[in-house]
Amino acid sequence: GAVVSQHPSRVICKSGTSVKIECRSLDFQATTMFWYRQFPKQSLMLMATSNEGSKATYEQGVEKDKFLINHASLTLSTLTVTSAHPEDSSFYICSAGLLGTGRNQPQHFGDGTRLSIL
Amino acid sequence: ELKVEQNPLFLSMQEGKNYTIYCNYSTTSDRLYWYRQDPGKSLESLFVLLSNGAVKQEGRLMASLDTKARLSTLHITAAVHDLSATYFCAVDMNDRDNYGQNFVFGPGTRLSVLP
Repeated sequence: GAVVSQHPSRVICKSGTSVKIECRSLDFQATTMFWYRQFPKQSLMLMATSNEGSKATYEQGVEKDKFLINHASLTLSTLTVTSAHPEDSSFYICSAGLLGTGRNQPQHFGDGTRLSIL
Repeated sequence: ELKVEQNPLFLSMQEGKNYTIYCNYSTTSDRLYWYRQDPGKSLESLFVLLSNGAVKQEGRLMASLDTKARLSTLHITAAVHDLSATYFCAVDMNDRDNYGQNFVFGPGTRLSVLP
């Protein structure tokens, strides 16, 4: 089955640090990947849609300059949390669908990255 | 602004019983998704419903969508302990707007299936 690998699985770092999270589709190509965040014991929020070869589409209220998304190939999207602060601590999850299907097919999710900013 | 509600938020049921989780939403959409999340884990995609009247089944779970009522149901048949998890629905707006989120998750239903 389709596998999405997300790395790292956990990050603990100091305030002001920038953190990069990678999302790779291992055995399929994905023109579109999605990034979500989840606060402890809460629901999820879609942050942005990552489009291969073009700019990401951010959801309302998500700071583009804070959460940099790059989708340079059909198998890799990265999310960089710039100058992270404690309020950025969260569980970040990526997903990808098979090539060209966007969200109209079941998404394959990464295992998530638990980010803790001290 | 799109709002998504789920009912109930917490559900404790015995093995072998049937139950339904409801997801209702506030604005026009014909794209609704169901996900499962185990404690401390990521998400698993369960169902993608893309039209009014869509019904999909996988094992003991069956999901349906009524776009006129703005309601989706996730029906559990003869529950087993392995179904214990949190279930989220999510709605994708047909028409993008700039005043809120366009893809919104419900608050989740935490299901516990007891022996």
